Amino acid sequence: DIVMTQSPDSLAVSLGERATINCKSSQSVFHSPNNKNYLAWYQQKPGQPPKVVIYWASNRESGVPDRFSGAGSGTDFTLTISSLQAEDVATYYCQEYYSSQLTFGGGTKLEIK
Amino acid sequence: EVQLVQSGAEVKKPGESLKISCEASGYSFTNYWIGWVRQMPGKGLEWMGVIYPGDSNTRYSPSFQGQVTISADKSISTAYLQWSSLKASDTAMYYCTRHVANYNIARWADYWGQGTLVTVSS
Repeated sequence: DIVMTQSPDSLAVSLGERATINCKSSQSVFHSPNNKNYLAWYQQKPGQPPKVVIYWASNRESGVPDRFSGAGSGTDFTLTISSLQAEDVATYYCQEYYSSQLTFGGGTKLEIK
Repeated sequence: EVQLVQSGAEVKKPGESLKISCEASGYSFTNYWIGWVRQMPGKGLEWMGVIYPGDSNTRYSPSFQGQVTISADKSISTAYLQWSSLKASDTAMYYCTRHVANYNIARWADYWGQGTLVTVSS
């Protein structure tokens, strides 16, 4: 089974500053036949269900602000918020969908400093 | 508009059975995988399993295999998650999810239900 490890567990960033969240998979989630990384990022605000923000490691979901970006390949991935806004306070999860198990990372709680 | 509307909160006793539902609308129910995610109080997301309503193909996380049953009734576009004997440790929020498919395998969840809170207490 693929294990997804996120870091840090929590992060406090000032408004307007950059926030970077890391996600590491225990084995590669890159599929060479289609040149895609099978990784998504979700945002969960308090009291709400999660919503997808990034899929295929770097594709932004429709309606997601362009300050959100995803990068990485193979086993190491990052979610970056280029200029943190108050509405970005949430817990962020990565998820691999390379295996049939769709494993989530443990989550990173993002707060305002 | 795609919607996943889940059944309401439940309070049950240990040993009781339970079936919660997720009614889908706004898309072809039989053409997408639909799944379930558990979130225990104050904890992270855990993928439980998925079903393809078109042919009832079902896949479970090893952590949940044998503990729950996922089913679907395509005549009413509704998916279900059921327990035959609840435990206190089943207390959690449960979300249903619709999944994008690639090579006919469930991938990321593009829509989520509002969640069903299940409380199991004596």
